[in-house]
Amino acid sequence: AQKVTQAQTEISVVEKEDVTLDCVYETRDTTYYLFWYKQPPSGELVFLIRRNSFDEQNEISGRYSWNFQKSTSSFNFTITASQVVDSAVYFCALSLNTGNQFYFGTGTSLTVIP
Amino acid sequence: NAGVMQNPRHLVRRRGQEARLRCSPMKGHSHVYWYRQLPEEGLKFMVYLQKENIIDESGMPKERFSAEFPKEGPSILRIQQVVRGDSAAYFCASSQIPTAEAFFGQGTRLTVV
Repeated sequence: AQKVTQAQTEISVVEKEDVTLDCVYETRDTTYYLFWYKQPPSGELVFLIRRNSFDEQNEISGRYSWNFQKSTSSFNFTITASQVVDSAVYFCALSLNTGNQFYFGTGTSLTVIP
Repeated sequence: NAGVMQNPRHLVRRRGQEARLRCSPMKGHSHVYWYRQLPEEGLKFMVYLQKENIIDESGMPKERFSAEFPKEGPSILRIQQVVRGDSAAYFCASSQIPTAEAFFGQGTRLTVV
């Protein structure tokens, strides 16, 4: 069975601090895909990143970076120099090669305090 | 290129009525997913469709819920005889291929009164 765990339910940081959102996944498949989505207060879901299981290179996009470690089954997301606009719920998700569905974590609610 | 379009954005139904939620995928996308999000919870998979076919409906309640994705037109999620527990945000997503990133619509917030 597949499972995604986001142990941090809520995080509050002061603007300009760095923050890391944790994501741990479970699957027995060797081919899978990992995703992060952002859900701002307006409610829509915004795609942030997709990573396949064969690519363990870390990725950086502006203030965002992702650390994928197969050894610990983790796909953590770091926001550097956080801003108020980063306040949102962030979801980590997993899909398999069949692509039938995304398995979502329960989300981490991030509040950036000005 | 327009994103995934869902309508209506908000829908209020009385108990026992029918709710119809529409989703137009992104241009070029033939894979559609429906998810339900209850307040303060994550997204729960309901159904995965390709054009004219239901591929996986393992997350769909056995009764009152149905989904379709016809050859022409939007995908429809239909809830018959709604109950208070159906109140939730329903999100549609589409992708170009099954393993690609899925792009989500803005959701339909269903309230059953």
